[in-house]
Amino acid sequence: GAGVSQSPSNKVTEKGKDVELRCDPISGHTALYWYRQSLGQGLEFLIYFQGNSAPDKSGLPSDRFSAERTGGSVSTLTIQRTQQEDSAVYLCASSLFGVHTGELFFGEGSRLTVL
Amino acid sequence: GENVEQHPSTLSVQEGDSAVIKCTYSDSASNYFPWYKQELGKRPQLIIDIRSNVGEKKDQRIAVTLNKTAKHFSLHITETQPEDSAVYFCAQWAGGTSYGKLTFGQGTILTVHP
Repeated sequence: GAGVSQSPSNKVTEKGKDVELRCDPISGHTALYWYRQSLGQGLEFLIYFQGNSAPDKSGLPSDRFSAERTGGSVSTLTIQRTQQEDSAVYLCASSLFGVHTGELFFGEGSRLTVL
Repeated sequence: GENVEQHPSTLSVQEGDSAVIKCTYSDSASNYFPWYKQELGKRPQLIIDIRSNVGEKKDQRIAVTLNKTAKHFSLHITETQPEDSAVYFCAQWAGGTSYGKLTFGQGTILTVHP
């Protein structure tokens, strides 16, 4: 695709339910990032994938959060037993990673509301 | 560590004035510092970046300066226009064992009054 695609764009769920958020990065981009943005807040790093290397999970806030990237392309962020404080916009970004650093291209985000 | 402190959190200027946003970082191995702009309801987009081998970079009305010794970098916007109103985020690209991790500052809400 032409850009980073995220789905769903909006998700409303009940407390305690599990949710899955999907990210389809720009074709050929080897690096993929997940960030969380609460209302009026900054960009909180969650997890980063680069090629076949082990992901940097240092930003995941609890063991209820997990992410995987299949075939070096599509990524899924899973939140188990959702809590109200999980409500936020979850942004995915991809980058053409190489010897030099590259620009991050963000998706439109998935807005999660936990009731 | 990879913390980035950004100031101020809000900035209000009159059209035509200059705006300056400052960031301080902690990772001495970091060598790449981008700035992203996020308009209301939109996704963040890169507006300018600087690498550690230069001290300043300009692109029309925006410029970024870097002081590696003091570990801070700044965004300068001259002749501000209402369309510059947005949230601006600085970021640092981690070095060392966390190479590739991009950590953002807390953001600055810039409002340019006509």
